[in-house]
Amino acid sequence: NAGVTQTPKFQVLKTGQSMTLQCAQDMNHEYMSWYRQDPGMGLRLIHYSVGAGITDQGEVPNGYNVSRSTTEDFPLRLLSAAPSQTSVYFCASSYFGTGLEQFFGPGTRLTVL
Amino acid sequence: SQQGEEDPQALSIQEGENATMNCSYKTSINNLQWYRQNSGRGLVHLILIRSNEREKHSGRLRVTLDTSKKSSSLLITASRAADTASYFCATDAGDSSYKLIFGSGTRLLVRP
Repeated sequence: NAGVTQTPKFQVLKTGQSMTLQCAQDMNHEYMSWYRQDPGMGLRLIHYSVGAGITDQGEVPNGYNVSRSTTEDFPLRLLSAAPSQTSVYFCASSYFGTGLEQFFGPGTRLTVL
Repeated sequence: SQQGEEDPQALSIQEGENATMNCSYKTSINNLQWYRQNSGRGLVHLILIRSNEREKHSGRLRVTLDTSKKSSSLLITASRAADTASYFCATDAGDSSYKLIFGSGTRLLVRP
């Protein structure tokens, strides 16, 4: 199993550009989530999904959209990038919910100029 | 605002010593988890303790949970240089949502 994969690993955007961060898992996990991590800080939850077709907002959802059309994929879309969105983005998954071990991807380092 | 807050923010110890990190949280929880993050990498799950458990062990790790004080501690015994990393606690949000909320972390440096 590849586990949780994220692409790209690095990305530089200009203010106002849009892009999609990809996340995929091959463990048939129902629960998937996106976090951002700013320097010296913990992770903040952006959006999460408890299954295909179901998504919900986390702590810091503004400026981000998600969709979950399949169990495997959970892309994160930046609608109009801003410098405040410069961060490292992590995707995670688990069999179900928050009561189980979360498996994390390697992260995407995003810089918005 | 973050559910969990770790203390201390940074810890430096000598190899072979024990390291203790604490986590405090604000609301009732169903479970609490601890994760490790090596520099520039994703998080790795260490241990999960449920609200009806008081102590749990895994190898050199010992986790305690005091729900009356809304706090947890992670003890790493006989530390090694390879234990150098950031450690985070994570809890459910205490409501009916499926949010997992992370604390700000403790940066542990184990000196050889």
